[in-house]
Amino acid sequence: GESVGLHLPTLSVQEGDNSIINCAYSNSASDYFIWYKQESGKGPQFIIDIRSNMDKRQGQRVTVLLNKTVKHLSLQIAATQPGDSAVYFCAEKKGVKAAGNKLTFGGGTRVLVKP
Amino acid sequence: GAGVSQSPSNKVTEKGKDVELRCDPISGHTALYWYRQSLGQGLEFLIYFQGNSAPDKSGLPSDRFSAERTGGSVSTLTIQRTQQEDSAVYLCASSSRNEQFFGPGTRLTVL
Repeated sequence: GESVGLHLPTLSVQEGDNSIINCAYSNSASDYFIWYKQESGKGPQFIIDIRSNMDKRQGQRVTVLLNKTVKHLSLQIAATQPGDSAVYFCAEKKGVKAAGNKLTFGGGTRVLVKP
Repeated sequence: GAGVSQSPSNKVTEKGKDVELRCDPISGHTALYWYRQSLGQGLEFLIYFQGNSAPDKSGLPSDRFSAERTGGSVSTLTIQRTQQEDSAVYLCASSSRNEQFFGPGTRLTVL
């Protein structure tokens, strides 16, 4: 079902450490996943995506891991910086090429980077 | 414009009044979404338009909420007889296939 209006869990991390943000998704038929970052006062911004035929994808300082067996998605941020402080959302979709299928968002995790 | 735009950026209204929120999606994007985000919380799906298909209204919280999308482009979210619990940031997003591009949102405050 939809994740709606959940109170956000918070992850506090020391600047320079690695961050791991976890997300459990609900639809085993989902085959496309995205991580979004939302800074205060702004709309969510795309970070990285992954298709279900992959279990790992790397970007600049970020890595997304997908475990379809347990329907778990994680985002790893290397050498966390103050600018990484934000709320992070995962989203899932069934049908990579189907524009008609909507994304379903998870509840979000707030990351606070301590100097 | 290059991105999704929304107007107004802030709206303060009195309880019981109607409000209209506007979204201009990225040109050519066939899908348009409205979400609501209360302070410190996640995204709450409201409504989804895809091309000429009937909109998915499954997230609208009450019949006071409605939305339309004219000509497959601009969308308006209307809230009638606003209540204080309607206070939130209303986000619009558009997509052409997978990734959704979000606008900056409209912050609605109902006094």
